[in-house]
Amino acid sequence: QKEVEQDPGPLSVPEGAIVSLNCTYSNSAFQYFMWYRQYSRKGPELLMYTYSSGNKEDGRFTAQVDKSSKYISLFIRDSQPSDSATYLCAMSAMDSSYKLIFGSGTRLLVRP
Amino acid sequence: NAGVTQTPKFRVLKTGQSMTLLCAQDMNHEYMYWYRQDPGMGLRLIHYSVGEGTTAKGEVPDGYNVSRLKKQNFLLGLESAAPSQTSVYFCASRGGQTSNQPQHFGDGTRLSIL
Repeated sequence: QKEVEQDPGPLSVPEGAIVSLNCTYSNSAFQYFMWYRQYSRKGPELLMYTYSSGNKEDGRFTAQVDKSSKYISLFIRDSQPSDSATYLCAMSAMDSSYKLIFGSGTRLLVRP
Repeated sequence: NAGVTQTPKFRVLKTGQSMTLLCAQDMNHEYMYWYRQDPGMGLRLIHYSVGEGTTAKGEVPDGYNVSRLKKQNFLLGLESAAPSQTSVYFCASRGGQTSNQPQHFGDGTRLSIL
């Protein structure tokens, strides 16, 4: 079993829809949770960062962490065609090397 | 604003050949990482470095070696390439000692082993 599980999609939605992306994990030592966005033939770029449980909002993006359920989510409101990309969840424990464990990524397509 | 630069961008090798992938960062970051990305597998850590002159194994280190002789450069070597090493390789760097610093990624090297 992988430490981090993520539905690969693809997920296809119409422009303006609310998108929900999710990851589950098995390692209770994970404390830091991130979402990266990766466009085709590009490297991942950090979208959201959350420490421990709770919600964090940044513009159209909201990240949620539920440590009791070992479940994290990313919501995208008013989705745009430019949001079409692969979204990777990543997490790390209290580790001085700051190593990240990534999910396999969910491919999102927002149709105009 | 170069950030993290990976060289080369594409390469085709024959089985048994050797090569070195170069990662250079201009942000004075202490931490550097090499990942491979395969379909359905996400990013998997190969090796990493927590500072100049240091290296450590990640999740999938077999068949690879690394060196960090200069702070700004992190080299990934394949001594005898195998078809199973066909992948997209990403380098990342990270600065600071606080937990909320992101890893910054290059745009990858696409490597095919025939």
